[in-house]
Amino acid sequence: KQEVTQIPAALSVPEGENLVLNCSFTDSAIYNLQWFRQDPGKGLTSLLLIQSSQREQTSGRLNASLDKSSGRSTLYIAASQPGDSATYLCAVEDNYGQNFVFGPGTRLSVLP
Amino acid sequence: EAGVAQSPRYKIIEKRQSVAFWCNPISGHATLYWYQQILGQGPKLLIQFQNNGVVDDSQLPKDRFSAERLKGVDSTLKIQPAKLEDSAVYLCASSFSYRVSTDTQYFGPGTRLTVL
Repeated sequence: KQEVTQIPAALSVPEGENLVLNCSFTDSAIYNLQWFRQDPGKGLTSLLLIQSSQREQTSGRLNASLDKSSGRSTLYIAASQPGDSATYLCAVEDNYGQNFVFGPGTRLSVLP
Repeated sequence: EAGVAQSPRYKIIEKRQSVAFWCNPISGHATLYWYQQILGQGPKLLIQFQNNGVVDDSQLPKDRFSAERLKGVDSTLKIQPAKLEDSAVYLCASSFSYRVSTDTQYFGPGTRLTVL
């Protein structure tokens, strides 16, 4: 059974810092991995999707990497801004049955 | 482009009562998902539809939860009877296609259920 964990659970940084969020998964047979953002009281917004054959994806100040063999993904946020404050979740889709498994999320606060 | 719509946004009921949630996916999206998100946890997939057929309902507590997607568009999720542990946000999501590695899911705002 696939399990997804995220470290740290919460993070508070001053504006302008570069930061890294971590995601680990137990079964490397994944179809893809996605990073989502969730604002309080709202649904999830997809940030980046990495196919199993890819090693990284970039969008603006965001860069996500994937190392399937070690079961890890990182989300790098450059020059953080207060508007980046949200919960960031990673999710993996496995190869077996279209099963999406989410991590518990990292709650990020960027202080002005 | 209109997003995924859900209603109601909030619902408070007493245990053993029944409740239903409604979802309207993005137009043209074949795949629809219902997730349960308990406070402090990531969403857990309850059921996935491809058009009006069920693809995966392995984590749906079938003794009390049911879902349908008539005509392959709107969907309803029902809980009968509700338990205290059903208090959560119920998220609906849709995607254009099935098992396409580049396809992403679009989420609605969710329905926050409180069971007293």
